[in-house]
Amino acid sequence: GAVVSQHPSWVICKSGTSVKIECRSLDFQATTMFWYRQFPKQSLMLMATSNEGSKATYEQGVEKDKFLINHASLTLSTLTVTSAHPEDSSFYICSVPQGAGGYTFGSGTRLTVV
Amino acid sequence: GENVEQHPSTLSVQEGDSAVIKCTYSDSASNYFPWYKQELGKRPQLIIDIRSNVGEKKDQRIAVTLNKTAKHFSLHITETQPEDSAVYFCAADGAAGNKLTFGGGTRVLVKP
Repeated sequence: GAVVSQHPSWVICKSGTSVKIECRSLDFQATTMFWYRQFPKQSLMLMATSNEGSKATYEQGVEKDKFLINHASLTLSTLTVTSAHPEDSSFYICSVPQGAGGYTFGSGTRLTVV
Repeated sequence: GENVEQHPSTLSVQEGDSAVIKCTYSDSASNYFPWYKQELGKRPQLIIDIRSNVGEKKDQRIAVTLNKTAKHFSLHITETQPEDSAVYFCAADGAAGNKLTFGGGTRVLVKP
């Protein structure tokens, strides 16, 4: 399957600042990537679908102005958490679909907002 | 959209016994049903998957069954070992955009 690299693996930021998370598909051209959020002891919840060269599609209840997604190339999607607050502290993880080949997940980013 | 329910939320078994986790889904157009094992702070790891044209699939101690009519699928782990202890998630791809929707997860504890 594809190799997906996600950075950073963890980040601590101050409340009110912004944090950018990168998801790179190293050996697969990804026109679509998915961003998930996982709170402690909970499931993975889809936040948005990142579309190469066009706007992201957000799930109901996810603020598009707070979680900015950019997918400017076939290998890179970024998620920026703007004006982060403690309640945004979570595990963020990207996923690259490979059609019939299933899905490959990034290694995840642990965000802590203090 | 797709809705995936998973039961039980926790499962404790004795080493060597079998573990069964069940999931139901809502979107009859779903075609792909993966199962993931996730350890704390790590990415989900695919352990087995099944597609809608197959009723059962087995890989060593792990098997998955799918009933498309009833819209449910199950994970079976036989001869459980302590290293099987983890959180397991089922998922379904739904009709639109190949978005994976996850079940709520099952925390499995295998007692030595």
